[in-house]
Amino acid sequence: EAGVVQSPRYKIIEKKQPVAFWCNPISGHNTLYWYLQNLGQGPELLIRYENEEAVDDSQLPKDRFSAERLKGVDSTLKIQPAELGDSAVYLCASAARGSYEQYFGPGTRLTVT
Amino acid sequence: AQSVTQLDSHVSVSEGTPVLLRCNYSSSYSPSLFWYVQHPNKGLQLLLKYTSAATLVKGINGFEAEFKKSETSFHLTKPSAHMSDAAEYFCVVTLNGSSNTGKLIFGQGTTLQVKP
Repeated sequence: EAGVVQSPRYKIIEKKQPVAFWCNPISGHNTLYWYLQNLGQGPELLIRYENEEAVDDSQLPKDRFSAERLKGVDSTLKIQPAELGDSAVYLCASAARGSYEQYFGPGTRLTVT
Repeated sequence: AQSVTQLDSHVSVSEGTPVLLRCNYSSSYSPSLFWYVQHPNKGLQLLLKYTSAATLVKGINGFEAEFKKSETSFHLTKPSAHMSDAAEYFCVVTLNGSSNTGKLIFGQGTTLQVKP
């Protein structure tokens, strides 16, 4: 069984530029999560999807961050414009319906210069 | 509100000696608790989980953890450390019950160093 796939693995951009991250969850997992992990800290939830519906986006900075999961499968997280403080690892995770067990992708390491 | 506190930011052990990574939790409801491991440049991997069944939980790679409600603790142990155990470990809590959102609350992490 393939795991959660994320791309790109690494991204370096200049501040004020846009950036997008892509995630493909485990097949059949209807719940998808995006997390932010700053250096030396645990991940923090940005947004949670149940199928194509964003059911918890309370921690997503909506002035510059957006996300979509149009067909309820893969998802894209976008930042526009990026700021220096956005440098971090962006993790995607998925879970089966009703399960507490989340499976994580390898993450995208973003560096904003 | 739910929270977790990992009592040590860094633990160093010698190969072959026991490992103890400490975690205390705070939860208004019956919690589900997890330990995840993160190796450099790799995704988080679930080690073990407690979801209100047996209080002593066995996980992968010889790790286990004991849920102690009276102490609000969920410490991770392993009898004998291996070099490959060197990684970052996260204690995680989530909410049980009908209002569960599946939201994971991560601790700050404990870096485990294993010396030869």
